[in-house]
Amino acid sequence: DGGITQSPKYLFRKEGQNVTLSCEQNLNHDAMYWYRQDPGQGLRLIYYSQIVNDFQKGDIAEGYSVSREKKESFPLTVTSAQKNPTAFYLCASSIVRDSEAFFGQGTRLTVV
Amino acid sequence: KQEVTQIPAALSVPEGENLVLNCSFTDSAIYNLQWFRQDPGKGLTSLLLIQSSQREQTSGRLNASLDKSSGRSTLYIAASQPGDSATYLCAVYTGTASKLTFGTGTRLQVTL
Repeated sequence: DGGITQSPKYLFRKEGQNVTLSCEQNLNHDAMYWYRQDPGQGLRLIYYSQIVNDFQKGDIAEGYSVSREKKESFPLTVTSAQKNPTAFYLCASSIVRDSEAFFGQGTRLTVV
Repeated sequence: KQEVTQIPAALSVPEGENLVLNCSFTDSAIYNLQWFRQDPGKGLTSLLLIQSSQREQTSGRLNASLDKSSGRSTLYIAASQPGDSATYLCAVYTGTASKLTFGTGTRLQVTL
């Protein structure tokens, strides 16, 4: 089955700890995205990548980092610099940047 | 800056009723508009994509229309069913921003 796989589904982070969220797609899409979803707010773009080895900051990139070493993978690291990381994180991909976007099932990150 | 508004925020209807969800956006220079469905704790499922040159798209009981000049889109759901209960999100892709901008969604409940 083609799709986007995010793991883990739930993640707990201690104060001062870096954690990495995984996103893998087998749709052969060039563009990949990370969004953050908080209750009562629309999805906000963290980072996006239009091609391997290239990525750009979105609206709320501070405290996050990404890499795009392979076409199918776009991991997101939530660093200790992110002061309020508790949220639902969604990864998406599209053939090119302005085509139909498809989403993974999300990772819920909680600070403990 | 593109802003997307969805009204109402929540809606409850009896099974079998036809209903309309609304989406408005402030910048009419969009490439496309996409409607998504989100079940609680899950990722987004793409329902319909309307290109800026199109007026409407249909998929089964769903029909989405787009009036770009007035900055409005509607999602029409015919003969609603309890399984349609979910949050519906619209998002517009704006070329100047090179990203999808999301509304905060309409939470739909279809009752028996």
